[in-house]
Amino acid sequence: KQEVTQIPAALSVPEGENLVLNCSFTDSAIYNLQWFRQDPGKGLTSLLLIQSSQREQTSGRLNASLDKSSGRSTLYIAASQPGDSATYLCAVSDTGTASKLTFGTGTRLQVTL
Amino acid sequence: GAGVSQSPRYKVTKRGQDVALRCDPISGHVSLYWYRQALGQGPEFLTYFNYEAQQDKSGLPNDRFSAERPEGSISTLTIQRTEQRDSAMYRCASSPPLVGAKVADTQYFGPGTRLTVL
Repeated sequence: KQEVTQIPAALSVPEGENLVLNCSFTDSAIYNLQWFRQDPGKGLTSLLLIQSSQREQTSGRLNASLDKSSGRSTLYIAASQPGDSATYLCAVSDTGTASKLTFGTGTRLQVTL
Repeated sequence: GAGVSQSPRYKVTKRGQDVALRCDPISGHVSLYWYRQALGQGPEFLTYFNYEAQQDKSGLPNDRFSAERPEGSISTLTIQRTEQRDSAMYRCASSPPLVGAKVADTQYFGPGTRLTVL
């Protein structure tokens, strides 16, 4: 059974800092990995999707990397802003059940002024 | 354009009552997913549909939970004889038709229905 772990569980940084969120998964037979952002009272917003054949994806200040063989992904946020404060969730879909996402428990990020 | 919508946004019910949660996916999206999220946890898969066909219901906790999508658009998740342990955020997501060799695509989530069972 696939298990997804995210470290740290919570993180507080001052505005302008670069930061890294970590995600690890136990079964490397994944189809893709996605990073989501969750804001209170709202749905999850997909930030980046990395196919299993890819090593990284970039969108603006966000960069996600994938090392499938070691079961790890990182989300790098450059020049953090208070508006980045949210919970960040990592999710994987397995090769055999590609439409079913398995989520981690998330990292709660607070960016302070 | 309009995103995934869910109704009601909040539902409070008494133990033993049945509840029906509705999901309206993004127009044109053929796949629809249901997840349940406990406080402080990530969403947990319940079931999903391609068009009107339920493809995987392995995540439904027990036979009190059922879902349908009769016309391949709106879906209803029904919980019969609710119990306090059913209290959670129920999230719906949809994804567009697959293109090329893809077997899965980005899922777009709705705001969720917060269910509280007293």
